[in-house]
Amino acid sequence: SQKIEQNSEALNIQEGKTATLTCNYTNYSPAYLQWYRQDPGRGPVFLLLIRENEKEKRKERLKVTFDTTLKQSLFHITASQPADSATYLCALDRGSTLGRLYFGRGTQLTVWP
Amino acid sequence: NAGVTQTPKFRVLKTGQSMTLLCAQDMNHEYMYWYRQDPGMGLRLIHYSVGEGTTAKGEVPDGYNVSRLKKQNFLLGLESAAPSQTSVYFCATYSTGLGNTEAFFGQGTRLTVV
Repeated sequence: SQKIEQNSEALNIQEGKTATLTCNYTNYSPAYLQWYRQDPGRGPVFLLLIRENEKEKRKERLKVTFDTTLKQSLFHITASQPADSATYLCALDRGSTLGRLYFGRGTQLTVWP
Repeated sequence: NAGVTQTPKFRVLKTGQSMTLLCAQDMNHEYMYWYRQDPGMGLRLIHYSVGEGTTAKGEVPDGYNVSRLKKQNFLLGLESAAPSQTSVYFCATYSTGLGNTEAFFGQGTRLTVV
């Protein structure tokens, strides 16, 4: 079965620093890898998608990398702000049934002033 | 434009009771999904639908049934609730437009079975 691991349950960093979150997967290779943000009591919100043939994707202060050899994705938030505090979820779409996502447990990020 | 709306937001059931969770979307997406989220675990897929009149099992389908009679609605039923079904349930739709592949989630339904 598909297994997705996000390296830490919690990450605490100081405002202005870069937050780096890790997602590792085993078994099947994804067609897409996605990152979502989830705030307490809310549903996940899509942030970025990266395809299996892409190495890097950027959106404003966010950057995602994808290494299919290491079976790993890194998610970076540069110049982090307290408003970035949330749980970040990694999700894989194997492409066999679009939208059938396999989620990691998430990493809770806290950015302190 | 409400996106994905789940009803109800909260519910407490007694063991053995039944209920239906409603998911409604106004984005005209074909694909719809029901997930459950438990503490310390990732979202797990219960059932999904790739179009009106179709349903399929996900990772954890036991104890649940679904129906997709209309494209915009996806219903999740619990026939005989058990404490193990205490969870937060999320409905999602999936956009598969060119260059725009993402899931849209509802706000969740917090269900407690006592």
